[in-house]
Amino acid sequence: DQQVKQNSPSLSVQEGRISILNCDYTNSMFDYFLWYKKYPAEGPTFLISISSIKDKNEDGRFTVFLNKSAKHLSLHIVPSQPGDSAVYFCAASGGNEKLTFGTGTRLTIIP
Amino acid sequence: SQTIHQWPATLVQPVGSPLSLECTVEGTSNPNLYWYRQAAGRGLQLLFYSVGIGQISSEVPQNLSASRPQDRQFILSSKKLLLSDSGFYLCAWSVRVGTGLKGQYFGPGTRLTVT
Repeated sequence: DQQVKQNSPSLSVQEGRISILNCDYTNSMFDYFLWYKKYPAEGPTFLISISSIKDKNEDGRFTVFLNKSAKHLSLHIVPSQPGDSAVYFCAASGGNEKLTFGTGTRLTIIP
Repeated sequence: SQTIHQWPATLVQPVGSPLSLECTVEGTSNPNLYWYRQAAGRGLQLLFYSVGIGQISSEVPQNLSASRPQDRQFILSSKKLLLSDSGFYLCAWSVRVGTGLKGQYFGPGTRLTVT
């Protein structure tokens, strides 16, 4: 049972434009959400997180939006840069330190 | 600052051989520690997590085991590897700050190929 889903395995975006990565979850007990970025053969790097008491969190070019009623979150990257090309994982936590990860979306920024 | 080390970086082992992967964390005390596996084309699967020395929780039944002999050391082992054990193994640590999880921080990973 995939409790965290990233339905788009890949996404291509022109450099300078906005990248929007989506994530859906099914477990209503999840109350903390995170986005990670991963390059090949490296460990994931923590990008940004959001608590369920908020609907938006912004950090530089990265903004995460949370829609609790729809059980949906998204990561916006503006403007997109070539170095943003990587696999992005969303993850969720439900009151403990364990994370449930999605299957990832490969983002390719086209120069 | 905190750093996390994993070794080896890559490993090729025959089926039926033993396995030992090591992870150490520096710059923090009493971290939560985790082992994940990323199989080809799949997400990150939590294998084990530990909230303290000698305290191990297993998430997925398998022929792997984990141990935490010291506060900042986490070891993933197997007595006999299977072909299905191939994958990218990641160690991570976290410290809960206040009332919210700040996030888990990952090591560089070990690429294991079982032949």
